[in-house]
Amino acid sequence: DAGVTQSPTHLIKTRGQQVTLRCSPKSGHDTVSWYQQALGQGPQFIFQYYEEEERQRGNFPDRFSGHQFPNYSSELNVNALWLGDSALYLCASTRYPGELFFGEGSRLTVL
Amino acid sequence: RKEVEQDPGPFNVPEGATVAFNCTYSNSASQSFFWYRQDCRKEPKLLMSVYSSGNEDGRFTAQLNRASQYISLLIRDSKLSDSATYLCVVVGVSGNTPLVFGKGTRLSVIA
Repeated sequence: DAGVTQSPTHLIKTRGQQVTLRCSPKSGHDTVSWYQQALGQGPQFIFQYYEEEERQRGNFPDRFSGHQFPNYSSELNVNALWLGDSALYLCASTRYPGELFFGEGSRLTVL
Repeated sequence: RKEVEQDPGPFNVPEGATVAFNCTYSNSASQSFFWYRQDCRKEPKLLMSVYSSGNEDGRFTAQLNRASQYISLLIRDSKLSDSATYLCVVVGVSGNTPLVFGKGTRLSVIA
């Protein structure tokens, strides 16, 4: 049983560019959350998707958007990248009220 | 006051030592509490849940003090493999609200 898988694992972008990160949840999970973890910080909640809709959102600008597909996989899109977006982006899945499982993350560097 | 606060450390302890971490939270309505472990450049993984009655799992003990709004993690007989960052996590009023992470406390166990 594969856990949460994310792609790509590492990527480098330049300021102003756009990025799309992908996540496949653990089998049987229907809820996907995205977190941003900057160096030396704890993960910060970006948003959560359930039944293909954004259900909850953290304190992130509209440059951060997402999508959930019928197979429960999800994408995180970030537009107009700036240096401060450099971070580890973590996807986590669950089937309420179960445990949250994290993927290994996508490490984004913005130059 | 931040939602979840932890001493970032690092805590450098010899093998076999006992070490304790505290974490304070600001929302008195918080319902669920957890400790996650994060190894360097890896994803967070659930270490243990924290119950009002306390929770013990082998060498690890977690306690909750609702009156003072803090949770603690005690590690006895520290092993080299315990070296990691320990993240305090709080869940809000309803069970499906997102996890709020502290910045983490870094532990290094030294031979």
